[in-house]
Amino acid sequence: DTEVTQTPKHLVMGMTNKKSLKCEQHMGHRAMYWYKQKAKKPPELMFVYSYEKLSINESVPSRFSPECPNSSLLNLHLHALQPEDSALYLCASSSVSTNEKLFFGSGTQLSVL
Amino acid sequence: GESVGLHLPTLSVQEGDNSIINCAYSNSASDYFIWYKQESGKGPQFIIDIRSNMDKRQGQRVTVLLNKTVKHLSLQIAATQPGDSAVYFCAESILTGGGNKLTFGTGTQLKVEL
Repeated sequence: DTEVTQTPKHLVMGMTNKKSLKCEQHMGHRAMYWYKQKAKKPPELMFVYSYEKLSINESVPSRFSPECPNSSLLNLHLHALQPEDSALYLCASSSVSTNEKLFFGSGTQLSVL
Repeated sequence: GESVGLHLPTLSVQEGDNSIINCAYSNSASDYFIWYKQESGKGPQFIIDIRSNMDKRQGQRVTVLLNKTVKHLSLQIAATQPGDSAVYFCAESILTGGGNKLTFGTGTQLKVEL
């Protein structure tokens, strides 16, 4: 199984809502990532988890809260988002030793109203 | 600041021709340079990478060239097919205190004309 599965595929939320994005992989990868991608732009790194511990936070606002409950799962909890947070949120995983080769999910398209 | 960018935002080629996608980078400390392909509605997909101590690497129908003197990276696709139509991103992997960071360039849209 070489897939990274993200749910939901689409999400519409209001600025006062709380929602969570979920990501799952069964490749035995111990590094997992959240990226944000605006239309026609490159993915931008948000968070990196290595061995279930947060190793990189790219100065992301606290309204985004990542969680890695185990080696297969990665969540992104959303609260009090702004309309400018609307984007495609991509999850990826990799082995820790070959972490230039990321496996990406298809993303969650998020719209904040 | 440091950046990875692309020369051409859109490239149109005839089916069967070879494609060359270019990328300029500015961080000399990068360990790896990587090409990703992103089709509509999907996440980026790894194509090929090259270590910073190499200047050429070949895969199936693809070749990556690295010129460290002028900080230039290119992806060559042989006998371009309709399925190659996508956005191509170059990326660089940089070792930081928190681990390796992958930073993407601005992307080139490749359109294959029949």
